[in-house]
Amino acid sequence: SQQGEEDPQALSIQEGENATMNCSYKTSINNLQWYRQNSGRGLVHLILIRSNEREKHSGRLRVTLDTSKKSSSLLITASRAADTASYFCARYRDGNKLVFGAGTILRVKS
Amino acid sequence: NAGVTQTPKFRVLKTGQSMTLLCAQDMNHEYMYWYRQDPGMGLRLIHYSVGEGTTAKGEVPDGYNVSRLKKQNFLLGLESAAPSQTSVYFCASTPGTGYNNEQFFGPGTRLTVL
Repeated sequence: SQQGEEDPQALSIQEGENATMNCSYKTSINNLQWYRQNSGRGLVHLILIRSNEREKHSGRLRVTLDTSKKSSSLLITASRAADTASYFCARYRDGNKLVFGAGTILRVKS
Repeated sequence: NAGVTQTPKFRVLKTGQSMTLLCAQDMNHEYMYWYRQDPGMGLRLIHYSVGEGTTAKGEVPDGYNVSRLKKQNFLLGLESAAPSQTSVYFCASTPGTGYNNEQFFGPGTRLTVL
């Protein structure tokens, strides 16, 4: 079963707008990772946030982590058509196993 | 570096047939993983390996076998394919243990079982 759940399941926005995706999880974490999957392709790692961090930036990406609420959010600013993809949060469990949520499908319309 | 490669890219099987999916990585990574992805779902772990000669079960191992005879290769076998195994299969690798390791993914194999 999935250990993380993203919402919304799908998001459609206009180019230039910001996109926010949320991830909730059930148990404690050491860190949380976000991945992107373009249609028909493998996943690509975007960013990792450690449990002692509250916010992290990478280019147009901003990730926040609230361990008290067991949730994380991924914000993509000034979205582009090329950002159209599925986005997944993931965390390690039992040391070796990365567990993924069901993902958010983002569509950026130009 | 090619990164993580998967062979084949597509395959159609009939129920009961067998096949092997090959994953290769050229990054000298210790850990390798096989996942399946079904529509509307994230990735689910089938089997994984923490080093040459080792394998372990993941979340959904039934109907699959794996082998890691060489460090750079991780094979996923289906002995008797079933329609429920229709899916997209992804291989991934990571340098080693540690919660800060990102996983590097292959492009996937799309398998259809009729």
